Amino acid sequence: IVMTQTPLSSPVTLGRPASISCRSSQSLVHSDGDTYLSWLQQRPGQPPRLLIYKISNRFSGVPDRFSGSGAGTDFTLEITRVEAEDVGVYYCMQATQFPITFGQGTRLDIK
Amino acid sequence: QITLKESGPTLVKPTQTLTLTCMFSGFSLRTSGVGVGWIRQPPGKALEWLALIYWDDDKRYSPFLKSRLTITKDTSKNQVVLTMTNMDPVDTATYYCAHSRAEYPNTFDLWGQGTLVTVSS
Repeated sequence: IVMTQTPLSSPVTLGRPASISCRSSQSLVHSDGDTYLSWLQQRPGQPPRLLIYKISNRFSGVPDRFSGSGAGTDFTLEITRVEAEDVGVYYCMQATQFPITFGQGTRLDIK
Repeated sequence: QITLKESGPTLVKPTQTLTLTCMFSGFSLRTSGVGVGWIRQPPGKALEWLALIYWDDDKRYSPFLKSRLTITKDTSKNQVVLTMTNMDPVDTATYYCAHSRAEYPNTFDLWGQGTLVTVSS
């Protein structure tokens, strides 16, 4: 399954919202009824960090300014008010079907 | 507290075999639903999933690299080992191990810091 993210780069103003899209080449609905689409954040020089799992569930400790939505093949990560610590690269990941695949990444930086 | 740490050579020569170890703490690979995966990231590029091993010894591999990869676990030592044969300069990357559990199904909730492996003669 190919994961395609847009945009690849997103300069944003502090305090303003940001949105990243992820589209899969086929439906991510698993035979068990769940959709295994995750979002990860990778700050500069750091390993990836889980933000969102199963489309819209925030992982422990993730600020509520991060939210995920979508269904089927189209998904979105939204940040309501971007903070300086949000700078980094964001990846969508599907684990509905092997092989697990990632999007190309979206670089978020501050204008 | 769950932690994972990757270790292995920083430099390997082309055609050599790479052996990476993921040492973990705070969980057991005997626990139902738990898995440990390997993911790599070439410098400046995106993440690429390599392999995953589950508590019941079920193993999954990237089809693109399956012929070169072997993943094993040693539950007594809290280790997962990944071997990759016939290394090539294009395999230069940071290699991460990551944890998976039933509470957060089909994702990697915690990651190691990664280890950079350079392939060069």
